[in-house]
Amino acid sequence: DTGVSQNPRHKITKRGQNVTFRCDPISEHNRLYWYRQTLGQGPEFLTYFQNEAQLEKSRLLSDRFSAERPKGSFSTLEIQRTEQGDSAMYLCASSLGRAGGEKLFFGSGTQLSVL
Amino acid sequence: DAKTTQPPSMDCAEGRAANLPCNHSTISGNEYVYWYRQIHSQGPQYIIHGLKNNETNEMASLIITEDRKSSTLILPHATLRDTAVYYCIVRIYDYKLSFGAGTTVTVRA
Repeated sequence: DTGVSQNPRHKITKRGQNVTFRCDPISEHNRLYWYRQTLGQGPEFLTYFQNEAQLEKSRLLSDRFSAERPKGSFSTLEIQRTEQGDSAMYLCASSLGRAGGEKLFFGSGTQLSVL
Repeated sequence: DAKTTQPPSMDCAEGRAANLPCNHSTISGNEYVYWYRQIHSQGPQYIIHGLKNNETNEMASLIITEDRKSSTLILPHATLRDTAVYYCIVRIYDYKLSFGAGTTVTVRA
């Protein structure tokens, strides 16, 4: 497999701007996840897709955040009106979706810095 | 999901086995124990998981106590490239991982 690909690797933006990140999962994986990680902390779950359906969103995902997965392939995560508190590593993962006992494969993440 | 407790850090000599403990005393019968690790500036990497029985793969071994209240991840021959943060996760839902602070493992030459 070619692994989970995330773009861009780094994004610097000014407060108030909109940003969009892209995730390309492993091709046969039907589940896709977004996590956020701040410095010194473990990753925190944001949202998850089964094919194109977004099945759960964390309370961490405010109204300024929106995620899509058209056609059940790649996914985008958009943050509108960015705030300095949005600065973090945004991680995408995918999996085959086996019941219990499945592995998540993570990408290398997009590091967002909001100035 | 059950909460896990791990030591914040540990050192290991290169070439020796590294034994990473994890307590999960509130684990329920259908929760799996997972281990992931994260090397600096990379996404987490799956290592191993188990339900009741001990498990072994090409990366590590997972020993789960009979009462399932604790487990140990064993890296049989640690190398410098094993320096990372190791996360022990107990989960029931198959879509959501709850990462804690993990154990920072430093392998020294």
